Amino acid sequence: AQSVTQLGSHVSVSEGALVLLRCNYSSSVPPYLFWYVQYPNQGLQLLLKYTTGATLVKGINGFEAEFKKSETSFHLTKPSAHMSDAAEYFCAVSDKGGYQKVTFGTGTKLQVIP
Amino acid sequence: GAVVSQHPSRVICKSGTSVKIECRSLDFQATTMFWYRQFPKQSLMLMATSNEGSKATYEQGVEKDKFLINHASLTLSTLTVTSAHPEDSSFYICSAKQGNSNQPQHFGDGTRLSIL
Repeated sequence: AQSVTQLGSHVSVSEGALVLLRCNYSSSVPPYLFWYVQYPNQGLQLLLKYTTGATLVKGINGFEAEFKKSETSFHLTKPSAHMSDAAEYFCAVSDKGGYQKVTFGTGTKLQVIP
Repeated sequence: GAVVSQHPSRVICKSGTSVKIECRSLDFQATTMFWYRQFPKQSLMLMATSNEGSKATYEQGVEKDKFLINHASLTLSTLTVTSAHPEDSSFYICSAKQGNSNQPQHFGDGTRLSIL
């Protein structure tokens, strides 16, 4: 069984400020972890993923996330927020089997204040 | 690369109508496709997993006779909402996966279904 908890359904930051979106996971097997971004009325775009290897993962648009096994966390960060970052962000976990069922968190809506 | 096209993007129809949504992988072969449903301000809920050439695997609580899934080729899966009712109104999103389990799912842009 696997699950994802995203702390904070809404996060507001000022333009230029640090973005931190929190994600904790639960998985009975070593997980694959993902962050997706969704703009209004659109599908999901992959920001970054962790499978194996280096625990600090860099993604698109300046985002990165760090896999911390001891804390079962995969928080998403960006040093400086842009207005274009305003969107909803989903953390997700999948198993490593061929089925690859993905479980999504409930999402965090990021607001960037000018 | 890894583009998934979903069509139509928006459908408005009367209650009792059946609606077909297509999901195509444009530049890769998708052995597995997934169908999700997203209610307003909520996360994505997996409805079913579709494997090319075989029957779809539905999640608990999803009516297979209501949501018909066909994955006839490695690049196309369809979801048909049969005899749609207002409670079926939602945002439906498909995703497709290449080959082995190291590859993430690639998502379509979704279909906004509104049943009057």
